[in-house]
Parts: sequence; C-alpha cells; structure tokens
Amino acid sequence: DVKVTQSSRYLVKRTGEKVFLECVQDMDHENMFWYRQDPGLGLRLIYFSYDVKMKEKGDIPEGYSVSREKKERFSLILESASTNQTSMYLCASSPWTEIYEQYFGPGTRLTVT
Amino acid sequence: KQEVTQIPAALSVPEGENLVLNCSFTDSAIYNLQWFRQDPGKGLTSLLLIQSSQREQTSGRLNASLDKSSGRSTLYIAASQPGDSATYLCAVPMNNAGNMLTFGGGTRLMVKP
Repeated sequence: DVKVTQSSRYLVKRTGEKVFLECVQDMDHENMFWYRQDPGLGLRLIYFSYDVKMKEKGDIPEGYSVSREKKERFSLILESASTNQTSMYLCASSPWTEIYEQYFGPGTRLTVT
Repeated sequence: KQEVTQIPAALSVPEGENLVLNCSFTDSAIYNLQWFRQDPGKGLTSLLLIQSSQREQTSGRLNASLDKSSGRSTLYIAASQPGDSATYLCAVPMNNAGNMLTFGGGTRLMVKP
C-alpha cells in the first residue's frame, strides 16, 4: 500500500511565524503535490514537484515556498504565516506514468492566530 | 482552463438506495479521471481511476463511468450504507501534462439508517 504521511495533524501558529509542513511518501513516486482545501473553494494546488529540487507553481503559490531535497520528502514553507493561510493542507504523490494516480496524506489542519 | 463541476452538491438518501453522483468537465482531452472519498477532517482516499481509453471501472459496490465526448463521469453506488456517508470528489488533469489535477467541488453524501 502507498503511504503518504504528514508531520502534524493539527498545528497552531502565530501570525508572522515561519511554518514548515512536511510530507513523506514511501513508494518512490516522482511527483509530489501540496494542496489547500477551504470551504466553498475546494481543493487548490499550491505547488508540485516532479523531481528532486524541481518545482512548479500551482494555482495559488503566493505566500508559500517548497523544498524537495530528497525524493521521498516534500516540504511546504510559509515564510511569514498570516491568518488567511488558516486552512487544511493536503499532500499527495503519484508515479510518473501515464496513469498518474494520486495518493493523499491525512492532512494538516493549520490555524494561524 | 479545465473546469470540473459536481452535481448535486449534497445528497441525503435512506439506506439501501442506489444512487448516482455526477461529474462534468469542460476539456475532454483528459488522461484519466479519478474519484475520491473524503471523510470529515481527513485526507482523500482514491476510489477509482478511469483511464482515457476506458469507459468504466468497478470496485465492489462502486461503478464509475466515463464519457469523454460529452465531458461527463458518473459514480454509481449500489445498495448504499451509512458508512458510505462522506464527500465524494472527482478530479481530472488540468493540462496536457496529466499530473496536476483539477478537482470538482464535491458531493456531500449522507446515508440515513
């Protein structure tokens, strides 16, 4: 079974703090993704990475950065957290095949106060 | 730009009913379509993936069909159970790359005992 894990289920941070969200997958997948999910707005892609040190912006990259130093790990960084970044953050991975089936982690509920 | 719509947004049915969830997309040039389930506060679980060359996929009581020409997919749930209560999301690749997904807004299903 594919397993995608995220470092925290719940996180509370203060405005202005630097926040790291970590995601690890154990299936040697090339692609990894970060989404945020908000009521009424659905799931939106923040960033995706198709290889170590490679990244592409998604729909809403502003205020976020990412790091992929190892194939299995993809980090989302909030340089200076703001209250409008309070959300559910979901990480996913997929192999680089024609099928592209994505597998999701359990999510991190981030609250910025 | 690919847009995905799911109808209805919410559905409440008595246990045992057969039901159909709908997903429509604007750009028919897709690699695949994926159906997910999400329980409240949790990540997404992949239910079925239909490749572009396929017309349907089945898993247990679930059957998903794909009609690329009309830009539609349906998820059929047979003999619904209270444990099926969840939000169901469909997703298609947002561009020719095939690996970044665009999600529908989801259908929130409640199956009453």
